[in-house]
Amino acid sequence: RKEVEQDPGPFNVPEGATVAFNCTYSNSASQSFFWYRQDCRKEPKLLMSVYSSGNEDGRFTAQLNRASQYISLLIRDSKLSDSATYLCAVRTSGGSYIPTFGRGTSLIVHP
Amino acid sequence: NAGVTQTPKFQVLKTGQSMTLQCAQDMNHNSMYWYRQDPGMGLRLIYYSASEGTTDKGEVPNGYNVSRLNKREFSLRLESAAPSQTSVYFCASSEGRVSGANVLTFGAGSRLTVL
Repeated sequence: RKEVEQDPGPFNVPEGATVAFNCTYSNSASQSFFWYRQDCRKEPKLLMSVYSSGNEDGRFTAQLNRASQYISLLIRDSKLSDSATYLCAVRTSGGSYIPTFGRGTSLIVHP
Repeated sequence: NAGVTQTPKFQVLKTGQSMTLQCAQDMNHNSMYWYRQDPGMGLRLIYYSASEGTTDKGEVPNGYNVSRLNKREFSLRLESAAPSQTSVYFCASSEGRVSGANVLTFGAGSRLTVL
């Protein structure tokens, strides 16, 4: 089993839709969790960190489920500009401080 | 602030040629990284430098060498390029171990084609 797994998609949704992605991780000692956004032919950029209690940033909500070992990203009221690849990243405590990235989930928002 | 700057943005090489990708960051970060990204493979760590003066292998180091020239600069060298090294290369930096979160900031990427 890969350390960090994501459904590659693409998720194809109309403007205004709500869409959610999950990212599963295999190491129960994982400590820090992040969502990065990568636009086509651009570099990944931090979208948001994921906190234990869940957190929201505008239309974006991130959740952590430690029992089932996954994080989620919910996007409400999707915009055309949300079309991108969303990468999750997980850092494990006690070992390398370097986060491991998932392969990304592609989102396409259409008119 | 420029953040992380990497050069060149594009490069075409012939098999067997050598080249160096340059990376510099102006955020006073301790740690720097080189990743490659291939379709369907995600980001794979090639080498990293936890701090000035140290370098370590990542997941896919074969065929590459690195130099942490100073705190700002971290270069990646391909001594004898192979078609399998055709990829998009990203340099990144972060505060490193001193930061609990260790959020990475990436450069714009270097697209390398080896013929």
